[in-house]
Amino acid sequence: DIQMTQSPSSLSASVGDRVTITCRASQSISSYLNWYQQKPGKAPKLLIYAASSLQSGVPSRFSGSGSGTDFTLTISSLQTEDFATYYCQQSYNTLRITFGQGTRLEMK
Amino acid sequence: QLQLQESGPGLVKPSETLSVTCTVSGGSISSSSDYWGWIRQPPGKGLEWIGTMYYSGSTYYNPSLTSRVTISVDTSKNQFSLKLNSVTAADTALYYCARLGPGLAGWFDPWGQGTLVTVSS
Repeated sequence: DIQMTQSPSSLSASVGDRVTITCRASQSISSYLNWYQQKPGKAPKLLIYAASSLQSGVPSRFSGSGSGTDFTLTISSLQTEDFATYYCQQSYNTLRITFGQGTRLEMK
Repeated sequence: QLQLQESGPGLVKPSETLSVTCTVSGGSISSSSDYWGWIRQPPGKGLEWIGTMYYSGSTYYNPSLTSRVTISVDTSKNQFSLKLNSVTAADTALYYCARLGPGLAGWFDPWGQGTLVTVSS
């Protein structure tokens, strides 16, 4: 299995902050890395696919980067609606899709 | 636009079989570029991939669940279904269906709203 490890597991930040969440794969996954946002009581929503492509309709303050084993999700200027839990997911091993454990972004 | 909607029993007894159905609207489940997946989330925990299917009937299961899982498709109803047998309390979760694409190495989008299944006597 490819293990996906996110850091930090939780993060406190303020509106306007620049926030970075990291996802590390246990082996190289090229750019087969996707990011999701989940708000309480809601289904996950795709933010970034293929490591750095912004899903249609997602604000441009979200960006993704990385390849191989190390990836980042950056929110350039945090907004109130961005407080949520974020998950990374690898689709390199299509026979064993795995998610990171999640990063909970809370208001400071 | 494409929408997915799960439906399920809500409550299942231990050792019985959990059955959840996903109805796809606004698009065809027989799309050549799309796969369809099930993901679950125990209360307060993270996401776990259960399995993926293609409209032709090809299926791919999480090795940790493969002995208990069956995913099937009904193209005439634009639906696909999940069955998980011999359930225990550990199978209590929100069960989501989602499109996976383009291709097997794609991404999950969109998702259904999820259906909570509780395993309890």
